Parts: sequence; C-alpha cells; structure tokens
Amino acid sequence: AQSVAQPEDQVNVAEGNPLTVKCTYSVSGNPYLFWYVQYPNRGLQFLLKYITGDNLVKGSYGFEAEFNKSQTSFHLKKPSALVSDSALYFCAVRLLTGFQKLVFGTGTRLLVSP
Amino acid sequence: DAGITQSPRHKVTETGTPVTLRCHQTENHRYMYWYRQDPGHGLRLIHYSYGVKDTDKGEVSDGYSVSRSKTEDFLLTLESATSSQTSVYFCAISENTANTEAFFGQGTRLTVV
Repeated sequence: AQSVAQPEDQVNVAEGNPLTVKCTYSVSGNPYLFWYVQYPNRGLQFLLKYITGDNLVKGSYGFEAEFNKSQTSFHLKKPSALVSDSALYFCAVRLLTGFQKLVFGTGTRLLVSP
Repeated sequence: DAGITQSPRHKVTETGTPVTLRCHQTENHRYMYWYRQDPGHGLRLIHYSYGVKDTDKGEVSDGYSVSRSKTEDFLLTLESATSSQTSVYFCAISENTANTEAFFGQGTRLTVV
C-alpha cells in the first residue's frame, strides 16, 4: 500500500541544537512529498515540498528537508531549534495514481526546551 | 489561512442527530477535501471534490455525505452522529496539479455526546 510513516511520536531537542523529524514513504513512481506544521488549535500550515530537482529543499521558518530516494526518506531538519518551533509536524505524500490524494503520516510532536 | 473559512468552529451535538459542517473558500480552487484528525491516526480523508457536483469517497467515508453546489462551498454532513465521529474536522483546498500544496482551514471541533 502507498503510505508515509513517521516513526517518532515525539522528538525532544534543546533550543539552539539541530533538529530532525523523520519521514519515510512507500509509493510507486516518483513521489511528491510535503511537510506541514500544526500549532495548537490551528489548521495545518505548509512548510515545504519536494517535486523534483535538488534533493535539499528549503522552506518556511528556516526549515529544510532532504529527499533520499535510495532510503525512501524525506526528513525535516533545522540547524538551530527555537522554542517557538514546538508544534505537531506532518509528512505527506501525494499519490500519483487515480485522484492523486494527499496521504498523511500520523504526525510527530516536536518539543523544544529552553 | 489562505481564504478558507470553516463553520462552526466548535459544536456539541447529541448522538443520532444530523450535523452539517461548512467550508467556504475565496481562492477559486477546483479541489476541496474534508479530513478528520484523531490522535494516533494523523489526518484521514473523508470525502473530496474535484468540481461542482463532482465528489468522491475517501478512506473513512462511512456515515458521512458531502455536497458541492458552488465552487466556493463544500458541505460535510454527518447523517446520524455517533460518538466515534467526535473529532476535529479540517477542510482543505488545492489547485489542479499534483505538485501544488493543499491549504487548510482552521478546523471544526465536533463533540458527539
């Protein structure tokens, strides 16, 4: 089945340290991959996407993500975490068959401590 | 939130009653979606629309119906609410192509008692 997995329910990091939120996917063909962030009581906000081209994509708020085809991964990264980055992060893949639905992972809660 | 308005934002309803949630967009995007968000499940697609009067089922469509009579409005109806439908519901919109991101509304928190 075509899907996306976020293996960590929660990631804890100290402010100023680098952070990584992991995502792996299982789709046929070349994937279109997305990261979203959700702050408390808010909808999802788009962070960045990989469609084609450079494997390192840059997005909003200083986040970036690295597409790795051999490892079928699309990990979200930031060189220096901020307390305000604490939120729920979702990885998503757009299926390229049929309706081309967006399929989401279960989410990873990021907690950045002062 | 990208010209998407969901109403109501909060609702408490009794088991067995019908409930309608509304999503209104001002972006003129062709595609509209309804998702539900539950702990441990992430977001799951309920129904989607690819044009006026063109809708189809997602992965968790049982007990839900939708209608889209205008480009800007997408309604989600719980025909007879059950406690298992207690959730946070999100509407999303996107343009035609697969490489565009979806934009989300702020959500509706529905509690069925």
